[in-house]
Amino acid sequence: DTGVSQDPRHKITKRGQNVTFRCDPISEHNRLYWYRQTLGQGPEFLTYFQNEAQLEKSRLLSDRFSAERPKGSFSTLEIQRTEQGDSAMYLCASSWDDQPQHFGDGTRLSIL
Amino acid sequence: AQKVTQAQTEISVVEKEDVTLDCVYETRDTTYYLFWYKQPPSGELVFLIRRNSFDEQNEISGRYSWNFQKSTSSFNFTITASQVVDSAVYFCALGGGYQKVTFGTGTKLQVIP
Repeated sequence: DTGVSQDPRHKITKRGQNVTFRCDPISEHNRLYWYRQTLGQGPEFLTYFQNEAQLEKSRLLSDRFSAERPKGSFSTLEIQRTEQGDSAMYLCASSWDDQPQHFGDGTRLSIL
Repeated sequence: AQKVTQAQTEISVVEKEDVTLDCVYETRDTTYYLFWYKQPPSGELVFLIRRNSFDEQNEISGRYSWNFQKSTSSFNFTITASQVVDSAVYFCALGGGYQKVTFGTGTKLQVIP
């Protein structure tokens, strides 16, 4: 399968801990996006990379959030000092330029 | 600011009925894209269609059809002869050049056998 892959699928952690998620996009895709989806809502844009450059960040992305795409391939999203409100599904998507975004299955984060 | 409104939170239909999912959008951009995505219970968002704001021609793909009306800022989605496998949450979305897509809150469709 050559779709967008996210790891882990589920993450349960205690409040205050740091967590890191990984996204492997479709190999030939140069753009990579992170979204957050809470229960009963549509996905909300967090940030976007063109190759290794982070070109746009949402105001939703507080100082505790950081995303990287060091070699323009896989990306990581780290949340420091997690809070209850961080509980959500974190979705990664990729695309080639302006072609439609393809989404992964997401990482579900639960904060105890 | 961009906004997408899906007023129908949940819809239930009996198999083989037709169903229309409504979508109304707001944007100040003159060029934009409209999308529909399907999110089945497994969770993965599945791309269904993209429509350029300059192309108001309706589109049909099998049992799916889309009605784009710029005058009313609507982009409605109709499923003809619904099937149980159509049960999912459907999201309408709005984007400018794909960099950032604004999603609606979704319509949960349940098709009853």
